[in-house]
Amino acid sequence: GAGVSQTPSNKVTEKGKYVELRCDPISGHTALYWYRQSLGQGPEFLIYFQGTGAADDSGLPNDRFFAVRPEGSVSTLKIQRTERGDSAVYLCASSLSTAGGPGNEQFFGPGTRLTVL
Amino acid sequence: RKEVEQDPGPFNVPEGATVAFNCTYSNSASQSFFWYRQDCRKEPKLLMSVYSSGNEDGRFTAQLNRASQYISLLIRDSKLSDSATYLCVVNRRRGSTLGRLYFGRGTQLTVWP
Repeated sequence: GAGVSQTPSNKVTEKGKYVELRCDPISGHTALYWYRQSLGQGPEFLIYFQGTGAADDSGLPNDRFFAVRPEGSVSTLKIQRTERGDSAVYLCASSLSTAGGPGNEQFFGPGTRLTVL
Repeated sequence: RKEVEQDPGPFNVPEGATVAFNCTYSNSASQSFFWYRQDCRKEPKLLMSVYSSGNEDGRFTAQLNRASQYISLLIRDSKLSDSATYLCVVNRRRGSTLGRLYFGRGTQLTVWP
C-alpha cells in the first residue's frame, strides 16, 4: 500500500519568507509526527497529532513553527519568518495509534529538504 | 546528557564480517526500542523492534538489557547492501500514550568487497 508522502521534496526559500510543508500519512493511521534532521544528526522531534489535536508540541523550537491537522489526515507544518538555521530535512511519520507495541511502529515519509538562503 | 547515545563510527568492515553496534539510553522509563536504518539522503526505515529482551530476524539480532539501559544490534555475514547509518531509537510513555521517538545520532557502516 501507499506509504507516507511529503511535498515538496525540496524547498529553497529566502530568509524571512513563510513556508508550508505537507504530509499525507498512511491511510488509517491516526497518529502523525513531525521531526527534523540536520546533517550528521538523528531526527529530532517537533510535534505529534493524535487525530486532529496536537498531543505533544514540546519539540517546536519557537513560535515561528506551527502545525495543523484539521481533518485528522493530512498535516501542514508552517514556518514563519524563516531563518538560515531552519535549514534541515523535515520528516513526517505516521503510526496506527499511540498505544505502542507491535503494529504501532512509526513509518517515515521521504522528507522535505528545506534550504533557507 | 542526551537521551540516546551511540558511537557514530564509522565502522568499515569486509563482506562476511560480523559487526556489533551499541547504544545506551538515559531514561529508565523508556519502554520500546527500535533500530532504524537510514540510507544516504533517504528516510529512516524500521529495521527491528525490540519489545522484550531481544529479537532476531535473519542475520540481524537486537538485544536489550534494561538493567544497564543498553541496546545492541549484531549483523552477521555482512553484505554490501548493509552499508547505511543505523539509528538507535527509544520511546517512552507520556500519560497513556507512547508518542515521540528519541533518536541517537546514528552509527555509519560501510561494508567493502
